Amino acid sequence: QVQLVESGGGLVKPGGSLRLSCAASGFTFSDYYMSWIRQAPGKGLEWVSYISSSSSYTNYADSVKGRFTISRDNAKNSLYLQMNSLRAEDTAVYYCASVVVTARFDAFDIWGQGTMVTVSS
Amino acid sequence: SSELTQDPAVSVALGQTVRITCQGDSLRSYYASWYQQKPGQAPVLVIYGKNNRPSGIPDRFSGSSSGNTASLTITGAQAEDEADYYCNSRDSSGNHLGVFGGGTKLTVL
Repeated sequence: QVQLVESGGGLVKPGGSLRLSCAASGFTFSDYYMSWIRQAPGKGLEWVSYISSSSSYTNYADSVKGRFTISRDNAKNSLYLQMNSLRAEDTAVYYCASVVVTARFDAFDIWGQGTMVTVSS
Repeated sequence: SSELTQDPAVSVALGQTVRITCQGDSLRSYYASWYQQKPGQAPVLVIYGKNNRPSGIPDRFSGSSSGNTASLTITGAQAEDEADYYCNSRDSSGNHLGVFGGGTKLTVL
């Protein structure tokens, strides 16, 4: 079945690094834009980053620009988020999602179950 | 503007109709997508584009748009519809810059 499974979350100290992974199955991963979205405890959704199907295009929220890097390996059906210089405010559940992209809208149609990242000393 | 504004909370009597709205400048150019999130679960796409429902989403969910406002309507709300609902759109510049509304907590009475 169509599935996204995140991994790599955990507890990290401020200033530290973490790499999240997202394994895709059940659909043609290489055809889709992909995205990371996060949700701080008790808060709303916050878009983090996009990557195009061929990796030629990436974009980031201002809050993570210069610290996070999105990448993908279509041969491995995998999406990644390298997070450096982590801050307490990066504490959140991180979701990966596939993206339907058209001229008039984007839609996050498949979501993973999320992985928790806690930044604390 | 890159902001989308939603009412924090809305309530509806069981079986009645409720509209959840989302306002933002980007909605004059781009359609919103809508997500349902129940406690402890990942969000689920319920409406996208002009008014499209993914497979498995009941037809009591519908979407519409006018000017700078997008709306999610639930016709005949059920107890299982109690959840947080988030709208999302591109940034008004047209770049793939995701913007989420703050979310609306729907209570079914």
